[in-house]
Amino acid sequence: QVQLQESGPGLVKPSETLSLTCTVSGGSISGYYWSWIRQPPGKGLEWIGYIYYSGSTNYNPSLKSRVTMSLDTSMNQFSLRLSSVTAADTAVYYCARTPSYSYGSGNVIYYLYYMDVWGKGTTVTVSS
Amino acid sequence: QLVLTQSPSASASLGASVKLTCTLSSGHSSYAIAWHQQQSEKGPRYLMKLNSDGSHTKGDGIPDRFSGSSSGAERYLTISSLQSEDEADYYCQTWVTGMVFGGGTKLTVL
Repeated sequence: QVQLQESGPGLVKPSETLSLTCTVSGGSISGYYWSWIRQPPGKGLEWIGYIYYSGSTNYNPSLKSRVTMSLDTSMNQFSLRLSSVTAADTAVYYCARTPSYSYGSGNVIYYLYYMDVWGKGTTVTVSS
Repeated sequence: QLVLTQSPSASASLGASVKLTCTLSSGHSSYAIAWHQQQSEKGPRYLMKLNSDGSHTKGDGIPDRFSGSSSGAERYLTISSLQSEDEADYYCQTWVTGMVFGGGTKLTVL
């Protein structure tokens, strides 16, 4: 079955750029959206954004100015870069496969993007 | 603005059933959601997606003990025959123009 594994430095200095990679195994990166989600210590989940296998992206407006996502289909990997980090960016970072599902009736069609396969997460601490 | 509201905590006895609630904010009662489970010190696990009519599709390997239902703006996750490994945080999640998470419910199995 599909498995995801996050990798990258566990410690990043303030004002520098956090870089993480998610490697997809057991399946292809094609045909799906792929998300990054983070969880600060003791807190809930925060969506960072997603990248489609075509390369199009959608970022959380609260982080948009600092986030860049990319992918390498040949390596079955996608990546996250978060610039100008502060202590508030300390969190466990998860990557996840993100299918889309349309529903509704008549003139109204909705979409649900949801995570159906999660990585185990990687802890990133921002500290000097 | 769509908000998902969950009770911070719930508890139930081993072998009993529990029903967790996720409430969609006013005007959003038609939205589907997904439920995720997060055991202590682990990554989340997808449980199911749940429609406003109560129809739901579970993830691979999710036991029959887990089921979903809906009423109006409320989305429910029912866990029957509670086991110790069901002690976890449970998050609901949906999509508007971005991903929205509820605050999570911490379930304690007594």
